Amino acid sequence: GAVVSQHPSWVICKSGTSVKIECRSLDFQATTMFWYRQFPKQSLMLMATSNEGSKATYEQGVEKDKFLINHASLTLSTLTVTSAHPEDSSFYICSATRLAGVGYEQYFGPGTRLTVT
Amino acid sequence: AQSVTQLGSHVSVSEGALVLLRCNYSSSVPPYLFWYVQYPNQGLQLLLKYTSAATLVKGINGFEAEFKKSETSFHLTKPSAHMSDAAEYFCAVSLNDYKLSFGAGTTVTVRA
Repeated sequence: GAVVSQHPSWVICKSGTSVKIECRSLDFQATTMFWYRQFPKQSLMLMATSNEGSKATYEQGVEKDKFLINHASLTLSTLTVTSAHPEDSSFYICSATRLAGVGYEQYFGPGTRLTVT
Repeated sequence: AQSVTQLGSHVSVSEGALVLLRCNYSSSVPPYLFWYVQYPNQGLQLLLKYTSAATLVKGINGFEAEFKKSETSFHLTKPSAHMSDAAEYFCAVSLNDYKLSFGAGTTVTVRA
């Protein structure tokens, strides 16, 4: 089956530093990758849509200079939280899509828990 | 714009009892509808997906959902709950089959 991995699974960083989160589709090439943010006991909020070789499309209210997304290949997208602050602490989840028949299949990574101290 | 509303943030059922999770959607065009399950500190796993082929959709782990256009609903059911069904469940809607909008989620607890 299709597997999406994220690294790291858990990271603690100090306020003001930057953190990079990787999202990889291990056994398929992803047409599009998505980044979500999830606060405790809440739903997933779409942050941005990422396509290989092009700039990410950010959802309204998401700071593109703070959440840098790079999609270097069809199997790798990275999210960098720049100058992190405690309010950036959250669970970040990526997903990767591939064509399946006439539609798409979307596979989610296991998530990365970011804690900013 | 499309959206989903999940009725009930928390559902508690006895093992072996019916599980019913409610989801209503709002969409200007025929939507794609999904149910996902999330276990603690994990990503999401697709339970089932509606793509207008059949109104009754069967998914994994014994779950199924019925699309009712007249009620704009896509409720998730499982006839007999198992302890392993305890998790967070999300209903989601999409216009184009991949950009998803999620509901607030419903936490399911299963009593022995």
